[in-house]
Amino acid sequence: EAEVAQSPRYKITEKSQAVAFWCDPISGHATLYWYRQILGQGPELLVQFQDESVVDDSQLPKDRFSAERLKGVDSTLKIQPAELGDSAMYLCASSLHPGQGGFDEQYFGPGTRLTVT
Amino acid sequence: SQQGEEDPQALSIQEGENATMNCSYKTSINNLQWYRQNSGRGLVHLILIRSNEREKHSGRLRVTLDTSKKSSSLLITASRAADTASYFCASKASGSARQLTFGSGTQLTVLP
Repeated sequence: EAEVAQSPRYKITEKSQAVAFWCDPISGHATLYWYRQILGQGPELLVQFQDESVVDDSQLPKDRFSAERLKGVDSTLKIQPAELGDSAMYLCASSLHPGQGGFDEQYFGPGTRLTVT
Repeated sequence: SQQGEEDPQALSIQEGENATMNCSYKTSINNLQWYRQNSGRGLVHLILIRSNEREKHSGRLRVTLDTSKKSSSLLITASRAADTASYFCASKASGSARQLTFGSGTQLTVLP
C-alpha cells in the first residue's frame, strides 16, 4: 500500500540553528500539506500546495519558515532560525486533487518529531 | 486557530463497551471527517460525512452530523484494546480553498 514518506523521523536541534524536513507524497497526489501538531492538540495547517504552487500559506510564519515543492512531487519545509516554541510534530499529508472525483481524504506520513533545545 | 472542540478530551472504557466522542465546529461546512492517531504516529482517515448526510456507518463506526447544531459524533461499538488512540474531527469549510481544520481531539483508552 502506498504511503507518504517523511524524514527524518526525529530531529533535535539547538535554538537558532536551521532545520529541514522532507516529504514524499503518494504517487499521483497533486495536493500536499504541511501541518504542525503541538502535543495534546490537533494538527494546524502551515502550508498547502497544489502541484508546485502554494494555495494557502496564511498560517506559515514566513519570517522563519519556508516551504517548497519545486517539481510538484516531493517537498521540503525549512525553519531558520529554530526557536524553542517550534518543538512539535511536523506532519506531511497528501490527497488527490479535489477535482479528481472530489476526494477530500488526506493521507498522512508518520511525522517528524522536532525538539529545539 | 482550530475550527472546533471535541468532547470529552479523554475517555476510558472497558473492552466491549461503546465509545462516543463529540465534535463541534464553527462555520458552515462542505464535509466533516474523522481521523485516528496512534501515539507518535501520523493520522489515519476513518470516515467522511457530507453536509447533506445525517448518518454514516463503516464497520464498527457510526458517525452522525447535525448541521443545525454544528456538531458531529463518532460512535465506536464493541471497542477493542487496539482502538486506543486519539480521535480527531476535521471539517472542510464551505467556500474555502483551505482543506481541513482539525479539532483538539479525544484521547480514547480501551482497557482489556
